[in-house]
Amino acid sequence: DVKVTQSSRYLVKRTGEKVFLECVQDMDHENMFWYRQDPGLGLRLIYFSYDVKMKEKGDIPEGYSVSREKKERFSLILESASTNQTSMYLCASSPLLGELFFGEGSRLTVL
Amino acid sequence: QQQVKQSPQSLIVQKGGISIINCAYENTAFDYFPWYQQFPGKGPALLIAIRPDVSEKKEGRFTISFNKSAKQFSLHIMDSQPGDSATYFCAASAGSNYKLTFGKGTLLTVNP
Repeated sequence: DVKVTQSSRYLVKRTGEKVFLECVQDMDHENMFWYRQDPGLGLRLIYFSYDVKMKEKGDIPEGYSVSREKKERFSLILESASTNQTSMYLCASSPLLGELFFGEGSRLTVL
Repeated sequence: QQQVKQSPQSLIVQKGGISIINCAYENTAFDYFPWYQQFPGKGPALLIAIRPDVSEKKEGRFTISFNKSAKQFSLHIMDSQPGDSATYFCAASAGSNYKLTFGKGTLLTVNP
């Protein structure tokens, strides 16, 4: 089975802190994605990567950056966390043109 | 700009009934339309998907109906069960663009 692992299920951070959300997939997928899920807003794409060191902005990239140094790992970085970034963050991976497989999510609270 | 509009926002169905969730899209370049199912505390998982070369796809109790001219597609859950209670998301993507655009989700509750 495909496994997408998000290292932290729950995080509480202070405004202004730098936050790292880590995601690892074990199926050698080319593509990896970071989505944000908020009630009533669905899933919104923050960033995606189709290859190592390659990244493209999604629909809501402001306030976020990403890093993909290895094929299996995709990190989401909040340089200076703000309260409006309190949310559920979902990582996903997929083979080229294939189904997305999601992790279980990281719930971030910024105080 | 919301490219995929999903309705209803929530739905309550009795066990054995039919659950119907609708989605409409604007981008005529979309050519892949999946539905994802999400249980509380879990990430979404692919339930069923369709491409516009067919008007209907059925997998067990789940059916996607697709109307290309109306730019609409819907999920039908026959003989709905309490275990089907979850949030359902429709989505769409275009060509080699593997970025999915999601609807806002429908919370389905199936009462015993």
